[in-house]
Amino acid sequence: DAGVTQSPTHLIKTRGQQVTLRCSPKSGHDTVSWYQQALGQGPQFIFQYYEEEERQRGNFPDRFSGHQFPNYSSELNVNALLLGDSALYLCASRNRGVNSPLHFGNGTRLTVT
Amino acid sequence: GQSLEQPSEVTAVEGAIVQINCTYQTSGFYGLSWYQQHDGGAPTFLSYNALDGLEETGRFSSFLSRSDSYGYLLLQELQMKDSASYFCAVRDTNYGQNFVFGPGTRLSVLP
Repeated sequence: DAGVTQSPTHLIKTRGQQVTLRCSPKSGHDTVSWYQQALGQGPQFIFQYYEEEERQRGNFPDRFSGHQFPNYSSELNVNALLLGDSALYLCASRNRGVNSPLHFGNGTRLTVT
Repeated sequence: GQSLEQPSEVTAVEGAIVQINCTYQTSGFYGLSWYQQHDGGAPTFLSYNALDGLEETGRFSSFLSRSDSYGYLLLQELQMKDSASYFCAVRDTNYGQNFVFGPGTRLSVLP
């Protein structure tokens, strides 16, 4: 039973470029959330997708957008990259049960130069 | 607004007991979770408290007091492999019941 998988594991981009990160949720999970984790800090909630729609959003600008596909996989897109976007981007999935915990992938380490 | 506070670092020796505290402020509290993250790894779920009281899972226990907006994670019989960062996370109705994470506590277990 595969857990949450993310690709790529590492990425280096230049300021102003655009990036797409990918996530496949754990089998049986239909809800995907994305988090940004700066070095030495806790994960910050970006947004959540369920039934192919963005359901909730944290305090992130519109440069951050996403998508969920019919197979529940998801993409995170970041446009006009800034140096401050350098971070570990974590995807987490869960099912819709009330107390269902988050299952995280190993993340994508994005470096913006 | 919403905020969580945890100690930044805790150090203990093998076999000891350590408590990591978490205080939170939010108008939309729904539950408190704890996650463990080893360096370079993914956060992994440890516990969830929706109601006041103590939840025990093996060597780990978690406590919640909603009236005090306070919770803690208790780790017993510490092992070297417990060295990691520990995050409390509030399930917040202001964020559609998504989890908002604290800044994390780095636990170092010494031999």
